[in-house]
Amino acid sequence: EPEVTQTPSHQVTQMGQEVILRCVPISNHLYFYWYRQILGQKVEFLVSFYNNEISEKSEIFDDQFSVERPDGSNFTLKIRSTKLEDSAMYFCARPGPTNTGELFFGEGSRLTVL
Amino acid sequence: EDQVTQSPEALRLQEGESSSLNCSYTVSGLRGLFWYRQDPGKGPEFLFTLYSAGEEKEKERLKATLTKKESFLHITAPKPEDSATYLCAVRRGDDYKLSFGAGTTVTVRA
Repeated sequence: EPEVTQTPSHQVTQMGQEVILRCVPISNHLYFYWYRQILGQKVEFLVSFYNNEISEKSEIFDDQFSVERPDGSNFTLKIRSTKLEDSAMYFCARPGPTNTGELFFGEGSRLTVL
Repeated sequence: EDQVTQSPEALRLQEGESSSLNCSYTVSGLRGLFWYRQDPGKGPEFLFTLYSAGEEKEKERLKATLTKKESFLHITAPKPEDSATYLCAVRRGDDYKLSFGAGTTVTVRA
């Protein structure tokens, strides 16, 4: 059973369109993370979200990106005006139950920008 | 900047042929080194956390070890189901931001 559920599993969009990726935790957590993995490349940190605020973001996470917790449970990653280079797997992650540093990742959302 | 380098990039093994994967890291103030398994098109699956040099963790055919500069993931008598990409990641600081290596893709032939 996944620790987090991500939707959609795959989204195809036209360049310049907006996409919203969603993450639903199995249990309540204050900390949430978004990572991405371009095909054949490393898993990269995008942003951390704590208690309804961004706590840290990478240089990748520019004004094109935003994160929200719109209804108190789901977490969303919005990408405005998508570019070809935004094509990647996007992973949501949450800390493990023992607070020992590991992250548990969702199955990911594959974004394809045409 | 944290550096995590994994070698080899790819490893092809016969079933039962034991081998080791390497993860070299450069990070100030290591707060944990993590091993993950990733199947194609899936998210990373947590395997182990190592905190200090000399520490070892085991799970089935996998054993992870840690020194001050590198970590090894030993695969003993692998089976085809052990085929996957194995990722190494490091944590520095109190948050959960991880820096990943590029991974080692292991293929085990029956």
